[in-house]
Amino acid sequence: GESVGLHLPTLSVQEGDNSIINCAYSNSASDYFIWYKQESGKGPQFIIDIRSNMDKRQGQRVTVLLNKTVKHLSLQIAATQPGDSAVYFCAETITDSWGKLQFGAGTQVVVTP
Amino acid sequence: DTAVSQTPKYLVTQMGNDKSIKCEQNLGHDTMYWYKQDSKKFLKIMFSYNNKELIINETVPNRFSPKSPDKAHLNLHINSLELGDSAVYFCASSQDVAPDRAPDTIYFGEGSWLTVV
Repeated sequence: GESVGLHLPTLSVQEGDNSIINCAYSNSASDYFIWYKQESGKGPQFIIDIRSNMDKRQGQRVTVLLNKTVKHLSLQIAATQPGDSAVYFCAETITDSWGKLQFGAGTQVVVTP
Repeated sequence: DTAVSQTPKYLVTQMGNDKSIKCEQNLGHDTMYWYKQDSKKFLKIMFSYNNKELIINETVPNRFSPKSPDKAHLNLHINSLELGDSAVYFCASSQDVAPDRAPDTIYFGEGSWLTVV
């Protein structure tokens, strides 16, 4: 079946550096993509989303890039902080799926001092 | 104020037992979900309800029965618990979900850790 996947299961980043988390998706019908952050012992927390009619969207310290040609999604975190340590998930869905999210496998981000 | 709240947070029970997890959202959303996260942290949708009506059922064993008494609540009842049911179960909600509309942000609860021994 079609799936969403991540290239790196663990990403170690030095505090203050920029982080880039990548995600590949294979469902060409997906038109809405979301990044979630999950801290230990907590539920996924919405970070930022992007719709398929855009290729870039910026939030506070985060930027999501969407490349529909190669079906690739990335999350960039600027000036990574210790509080950014978490598992990051990309998720995809399509407009006519009643909000059904298909999640990727997750990337563990570890911020080192 | 907690937007999506689940109880209990932790549940340890024996195989064969029946248990329920409750979920409530105070966001005024129309749609609620149950997701399961396995030991490898993979998240997968189980059910979705829109205005108390079941709209997604992802090939979940019929031992799992969701119930939505009103659109602010979606409970999950599990019969004859098996070892493989051990996981974290997340409730979630969103507004204005419809088949012809782009989805709105989906908000997750804190999770219910179920351990079957």
